[in-house]
Amino acid sequence: NAGVTQTPKFRVLKTGQSMTLLCAQDMNHEYMYWYRQDPGMGLRLIHYSVGEGTTAKGEVPDGYNVSRLKKQNFLLGLESAAPSQTSVYFCASSYRASGGETQYFGPGTRLLVL
Amino acid sequence: KQEVTQIPAALSVPEGENLVLNCSFTDSAIYNLQWFRQDPGKGLTSLLLIQSSQREQTSGRLNASLDKSSGRSTLYIAASQPGDSATYLCAVFIYGQNFVFGPGTRLSVLP
Repeated sequence: NAGVTQTPKFRVLKTGQSMTLLCAQDMNHEYMYWYRQDPGMGLRLIHYSVGEGTTAKGEVPDGYNVSRLKKQNFLLGLESAAPSQTSVYFCASSYRASGGETQYFGPGTRLLVL
Repeated sequence: KQEVTQIPAALSVPEGENLVLNCSFTDSAIYNLQWFRQDPGKGLTSLLLIQSSQREQTSGRLNASLDKSSGRSTLYIAASQPGDSATYLCAVFIYGQNFVFGPGTRLSVLP
């Protein structure tokens, strides 16, 4: 049981390049999330998914796209990277039980855009 | 829009001290509040989850309280140890907004 895994762990991009971050979970969770973490700002939600084939925008969606073609995978795409997208990206997954929701996080992807 | 703040931003204490971390939120219409721990270069690990109908939750040396009406939560750590050194984040869950996170408190426990 690997939990939530993220690929790659670290990446350097040049402005204008594109890339895809992969998140995978093996807990059969319905809900998956992409966050970015910047110093002093906590985590901010980029996009999320409440099930296979569905996605929704979070607080800071501009410049990102997502896809959830399989229940266990949630992909985050950067179409044309900008220096402002330099950040640490975290994926999370969760179930929603009547008693509340606990999110399980991946180890993060560090992205540097030059 | 919900905003979550945490005080202090950083805290350094000698080993063995009891300490309190504070979390405040602006909208009391929350579903639950959760405290997380984040070690350097790692993801977040859930410590305690308090439902909106609850007043506190305990796990080992950790105790979290919730006062929804005043928009406050505290995380109490008893008999701190160097292994407690990490960043602690609180997050509130609101339907329609999902989780809203605070910026975290960076804790250092000195041997």
